[in-house]
Amino acid sequence: NAGVTQTPKFRVLKTGQSMTLLCAQDMNHEYMYWYRQDPGMGLRLIHYSVGEGTTAKGEVPDGYNVSRLKKQNFLLGLESAAPSQTSVYFCASSTIAGERDTQYFGPGTRLTVL
Amino acid sequence: LAKTTQPISMDSYEGQEVNITCSHNNIATNDYITWYQQFPSQGPRFIIQGYKTKVTNEVASLFIPADRKSSTLSLPRVSLSDTAVYYCLVGDMGAYNTDKLIFGTGTRLQVFP
Repeated sequence: NAGVTQTPKFRVLKTGQSMTLLCAQDMNHEYMYWYRQDPGMGLRLIHYSVGEGTTAKGEVPDGYNVSRLKKQNFLLGLESAAPSQTSVYFCASSTIAGERDTQYFGPGTRLTVL
Repeated sequence: LAKTTQPISMDSYEGQEVNITCSHNNIATNDYITWYQQFPSQGPRFIIQGYKTKVTNEVASLFIPADRKSSTLSLPRVSLSDTAVYYCLVGDMGAYNTDKLIFGTGTRLQVFP
């Protein structure tokens, strides 16, 4: 039982390049989330999903797209990376939104956009 | 939107009890209070959750007064490994919304030997 895993762990992009971050969970959780965390800041919700085939916007969705084709995977895409997207990205999952055990987080992906 | 306010940072020494207070004046009837811990270069980890009065687990205690406008996370006998950022979140656990997913900047706890 690996919990929540994220791929890759580190990535450097040039402005305008695209990439996809992969989040996988093996806990059969319905809900999945993508956050970004900038230095010295708290986490901000980018997008989330309440089930396979569904996605919704969070607090800071601009410049990102997501897909949830399989229940265990949640992909975060950057179509045209910008330096402002340099951040650490965390994925999380939960069984039912707000259930007692709340969210389980992955180890993060550190992205630098030059 | 249930906004929370926490101290930006706190210092302590090993073996002391640490109390971190979170203010949430606009807490709603259905809102729960949840605390997370985040170590450097890691994702947040759930610590404790409560609705009213006192909740205790193997890691911490959570004290919530009758008016629920604040809550206090209590860490007994901290060690160096408790150095982390602690986040207080407030939200309705009975219905799905993203208000409870507002982490804020948290409280940075530094424990000294």
